[in-house]
Amino acid sequence: GQNIDQPTEMTATEGAIVQINCTYQTSGFNGLFWYQQHAGEAPTFLSYNVLDGLEEKGRFSSFLSRSKGYSYLLLKELQMKDSASYLCAVRDGHYKLSFGAGTTVTVRA
Amino acid sequence: GAVVSQHPSWVICKSGTSVKIECRSLDFQATTMFWYRQFPKQSLMLMATSNEGSKATYEQGVEKDKFLINHASLTLSTLTVTSAHPEDSSFYICSAMTGGLESSPLHFGNGTRLTVT
Repeated sequence: GQNIDQPTEMTATEGAIVQINCTYQTSGFNGLFWYQQHAGEAPTFLSYNVLDGLEEKGRFSSFLSRSKGYSYLLLKELQMKDSASYLCAVRDGHYKLSFGAGTTVTVRA
Repeated sequence: GAVVSQHPSWVICKSGTSVKIECRSLDFQATTMFWYRQFPKQSLMLMATSNEGSKATYEQGVEKDKFLINHASLTLSTLTVTSAHPEDSSFYICSAMTGGLESSPLHFGNGTRLTVT
Protein backbone atom coordinates (compact mmCIF):
# COMPACT_ATOMS: atom_id res chain seq x y z
CA GLY A 1 0.00 0.00 0.00
CA GLN A 2 0.88 3.65 -0.06
CA ASN A 3 1.79 6.00 2.73
CA ILE A 4 1.84 9.64 1.69
CA ASP A 5 2.32 12.39 4.25
CA GLN A 6 2.00 16.14 3.88
CA PRO A 7 1.20 18.92 6.33
CA THR A 8 -2.45 19.66 6.93
CA GLU A 9 -2.36 23.45 6.74
CA MET A 10 -0.03 26.31 5.87
CA THR A 11 -0.53 30.06 5.93
CA ALA A 12 1.50 32.65 4.09
CA THR A 13 1.36 36.29 3.05
CA GLU A 14 0.62 37.52 -0.45
CA GLY A 15 3.86 37.83 -2.42
CA ALA A 16 5.72 35.38 -0.21
CA ILE A 17 7.03 31.87 -0.90
CA VAL A 18 5.63 28.67 0.55
CA GLN A 19 7.09 25.17 0.40
CA ILE A 20 4.85 22.15 0.84
CA ASN A 21 6.67 18.95 1.71
CA CYS A 22 5.55 15.44 0.89
CA THR A 23 7.07 12.17 2.00
CA TYR A 24 5.99 8.83 0.65
CA GLN A 25 6.47 5.09 0.87
CA THR A 26 5.16 3.06 -2.03
CA SER A 27 5.35 -0.34 -3.68
CA GLY A 28 7.28 0.67 -6.76
CA PHE A 29 7.41 4.18 -8.15
CA ASN A 30 6.27 5.62 -11.45
CA GLY A 31 6.14 9.31 -10.78
CA LEU A 32 4.95 11.93 -8.33
CA PHE A 33 2.31 14.50 -9.14
CA TRP A 34 1.11 17.69 -7.54
CA TYR A 35 -2.46 18.86 -7.97
CA GLN A 36 -4.31 21.99 -6.88
CA GLN A 37 -7.88 21.69 -5.69
CA HIS A 38 -10.21 24.56 -4.85
CA ALA A 39 -13.10 23.83 -2.54
CA GLY A 40 -15.90 21.96 -4.28
CA GLU A 41 -13.96 21.54 -7.49
CA ALA A 42 -11.96 18.76 -9.08
CA PRO A 43 -8.15 18.74 -8.86
CA THR A 44 -6.11 20.38 -11.58
CA PHE A 45 -2.68 19.11 -12.58
CA LEU A 46 0.31 21.24 -11.56
CA SER A 47 3.48 19.22 -11.96
CA TYR A 48 5.06 15.84 -12.51
CA ASN A 49 8.42 14.45 -11.36
CA VAL A 50 9.81 11.03 -12.13
CA LEU A 51 13.55 11.76 -11.99
CA ASP A 52 15.43 13.41 -9.15
CA GLY A 53 15.71 17.14 -9.30
CA LEU A 54 13.76 20.31 -9.73
CA GLU A 55 11.03 20.98 -12.29
CA GLU A 56 10.11 24.63 -12.72
CA LYS A 57 6.88 25.90 -14.20
CA GLY A 58 6.41 29.61 -13.82
CA ARG A 59 5.63 30.44 -10.20
CA PHE A 60 5.44 26.76 -9.27
CA SER A 61 8.37 24.38 -8.87
CA SER A 62 8.48 20.79 -7.72
CA PHE A 63 11.42 18.78 -6.43
CA LEU A 64 11.92 15.06 -6.08
CA SER A 65 14.39 12.84 -4.27
CA ARG A 66 13.56 9.21 -4.92
CA SER A 67 16.16 7.85 -2.51
CA LYS A 68 14.62 9.88 0.31
CA GLY A 69 11.01 9.36 -0.73
CA TYR A 70 10.60 13.10 -0.61
CA SER A 71 9.15 15.86 -2.72
CA TYR A 72 8.22 19.47 -2.27
CA LEU A 73 6.08 21.97 -4.14
CA LEU A 74 7.33 25.54 -4.08
CA LEU A 75 4.90 28.35 -4.69
CA LYS A 76 6.50 31.74 -5.34
CA GLU A 77 5.01 35.24 -5.45
CA LEU A 78 1.89 34.01 -3.76
CA GLN A 79 -1.42 35.41 -4.92
CA MET A 80 -4.77 35.31 -3.20
CA LYS A 81 -6.06 32.91 -5.85
CA ASP A 82 -3.41 30.39 -4.75
CA SER A 83 -5.45 29.72 -1.61
CA ALA A 84 -6.44 26.08 -2.16
CA SER A 85 -5.65 22.54 -1.20
CA TYR A 86 -2.49 21.04 -2.72
CA LEU A 87 -2.43 17.30 -3.20
CA CYS A 88 0.68 15.17 -3.46
CA ALA A 89 0.01 11.99 -5.44
CA VAL A 90 2.27 9.04 -6.14
CA ARG A 91 1.92 6.48 -8.91
CA ASP A 92 3.06 3.05 -7.83
CA GLY A 93 4.53 0.12 -9.73
CA HIS A 94 1.08 -0.79 -11.04
CA TYR A 95 0.46 2.76 -12.27
CA LYS A 96 -2.15 3.30 -9.61
CA LEU A 97 -2.27 6.90 -8.36
CA SER A 98 -2.73 7.45 -4.64
CA PHE A 99 -3.22 10.82 -3.00
CA GLY A 100 -2.03 12.36 0.21
CA ALA A 101 -4.58 14.05 2.46
CA GLY A 102 -3.77 17.46 0.98
CA THR A 103 -2.31 20.68 2.38
CA THR A 104 -4.65 23.64 2.71
CA VAL A 105 -2.77 26.82 1.89
CA THR A 106 -4.27 30.11 3.01
CA VAL A 107 -2.84 33.28 1.49
CA ARG A 108 -3.38 36.44 3.53
CA ALA A 109 -3.13 39.99 2.31
CA GLY B 1 -5.53 20.30 -23.25
CA ALA B 2 -7.25 17.04 -22.40
CA VAL B 3 -10.83 17.48 -21.30
CA VAL B 4 -12.81 15.11 -19.16
CA SER B 5 -16.50 15.81 -18.83
CA GLN B 6 -18.54 14.45 -15.94
CA HIS B 7 -22.30 14.56 -15.63
CA PRO B 8 -24.28 15.41 -13.59
CA SER B 9 -22.47 18.01 -11.48
CA TRP B 10 -24.74 17.38 -8.57
CA VAL B 11 -27.64 15.08 -7.79
CA ILE B 12 -30.02 14.61 -4.90
CA CYS B 13 -31.76 11.28 -4.62
CA LYS B 14 -33.86 9.38 -2.14
CA SER B 15 -32.52 6.51 -0.13
CA GLY B 16 -32.90 3.22 -1.98
CA THR B 17 -32.76 4.64 -5.48
CA SER B 18 -29.92 4.32 -8.00
CA VAL B 19 -27.88 7.08 -9.56
CA LYS B 20 -25.77 6.94 -12.71
CA ILE B 21 -22.77 9.21 -13.24
CA GLU B 22 -21.17 9.59 -16.65
CA CYS B 23 -17.54 10.34 -17.42
CA ARG B 24 -16.47 11.22 -20.95
CA SER B 25 -13.11 11.99 -22.47
CA LEU B 26 -13.95 14.70 -25.00
CA ASP B 27 -10.85 15.04 -27.14
CA PHE B 28 -8.92 11.84 -26.56
CA GLN B 29 -9.46 8.13 -26.16
CA ALA B 30 -9.09 6.70 -22.69
CA THR B 31 -8.64 2.98 -22.37
CA THR B 32 -8.40 3.41 -18.63
CA MET B 33 -10.46 5.64 -16.39
CA PHE B 34 -10.43 5.91 -12.64
CA TRP B 35 -13.20 6.62 -10.15
CA TYR B 36 -12.44 8.42 -6.92
CA ARG B 37 -14.54 9.41 -3.94
CA GLN B 38 -13.84 12.33 -1.66
CA PHE B 39 -15.49 13.00 1.68
CA PRO B 40 -15.40 16.54 3.11
CA LYS B 41 -11.92 17.68 4.08
CA GLN B 42 -10.44 14.35 3.12
CA SER B 43 -8.33 13.29 0.19
CA LEU B 44 -9.35 11.41 -2.90
CA MET B 45 -9.77 7.70 -2.40
CA LEU B 46 -9.51 5.44 -5.42
CA MET B 47 -12.60 3.30 -5.76
CA ALA B 48 -11.95 1.41 -8.95
CA THR B 49 -10.09 1.29 -12.22
CA SER B 50 -12.30 1.12 -15.27
CA ASN B 51 -10.92 -0.65 -18.33
CA GLU B 52 -12.54 -0.38 -21.73
CA GLY B 53 -14.09 -3.66 -22.78
CA SER B 54 -13.37 -5.52 -19.56
CA LYS B 55 -14.43 -5.67 -15.95
CA ALA B 56 -13.46 -2.94 -13.57
CA THR B 57 -10.88 -3.52 -10.86
CA TYR B 58 -12.16 -2.50 -7.46
CA GLU B 59 -10.11 -1.36 -4.50
CA GLN B 60 -10.30 -3.25 -1.25
CA GLY B 61 -13.41 -2.37 0.70
CA VAL B 62 -15.39 -1.08 -2.29
CA GLU B 63 -18.50 -3.13 -3.01
CA LYS B 64 -18.58 -3.96 -6.69
CA ASP B 65 -22.27 -4.87 -6.59
CA LYS B 66 -23.10 -1.49 -5.13
CA PHE B 67 -20.89 0.62 -7.36
CA LEU B 68 -21.41 -0.68 -10.88
CA ILE B 69 -18.88 0.47 -13.44
CA ASN B 70 -19.29 0.14 -17.19
CA HIS B 71 -16.65 1.23 -19.69
CA ALA B 72 -18.34 0.41 -22.96
CA SER B 73 -16.32 2.68 -25.24
CA LEU B 74 -12.98 4.45 -25.37
CA THR B 75 -14.60 7.74 -24.39
CA LEU B 76 -17.24 6.81 -21.83
CA SER B 77 -17.27 5.21 -18.40
CA THR B 78 -20.26 5.16 -16.09
CA LEU B 79 -20.57 4.66 -12.35
CA THR B 80 -23.95 3.59 -10.98
CA VAL B 81 -24.52 3.86 -7.26
CA THR B 82 -27.21 1.27 -6.59
CA SER B 83 -29.61 1.37 -3.67
CA ALA B 84 -28.04 4.55 -2.42
CA HIS B 85 -27.96 5.35 1.28
CA PRO B 86 -27.12 8.57 3.11
CA GLU B 87 -23.61 7.31 3.85
CA ASP B 88 -23.00 7.21 0.09
CA SER B 89 -23.31 10.98 -0.01
CA SER B 90 -19.95 12.19 -1.26
CA PHE B 91 -18.06 13.89 -4.07
CA TYR B 92 -17.38 11.40 -6.87
CA ILE B 93 -14.69 12.27 -9.40
CA CYS B 94 -13.63 10.42 -12.52
CA SER B 95 -10.32 10.75 -14.24
CA ALA B 96 -8.51 9.52 -17.33
CA MET B 97 -5.03 9.37 -18.72
CA THR B 98 -3.93 10.54 -22.12
CA GLY B 99 -1.22 8.85 -24.07
CA GLY B 100 1.26 6.43 -22.60
CA LEU B 101 1.39 5.54 -18.95
CA GLU B 102 4.88 6.77 -18.11
CA SER B 103 4.38 10.50 -18.00
CA SER B 104 0.67 11.01 -18.34
CA PRO B 105 -0.99 12.90 -15.55
CA LEU B 106 -4.56 12.16 -14.65
CA HIS B 107 -7.07 14.65 -15.95
CA PHE B 108 -10.13 14.96 -13.79
CA GLY B 109 -13.75 15.58 -14.51
CA ASN B 110 -15.46 18.33 -12.53
CA GLY B 111 -16.93 15.86 -10.11
CA THR B 112 -20.45 14.90 -9.05
CA ARG B 113 -21.76 15.85 -5.64
CA LEU B 114 -24.21 13.17 -4.56
CA THR B 115 -26.60 13.78 -1.70
CA VAL B 116 -28.78 10.92 -0.57
CA THR B 117 -31.73 11.91 1.59
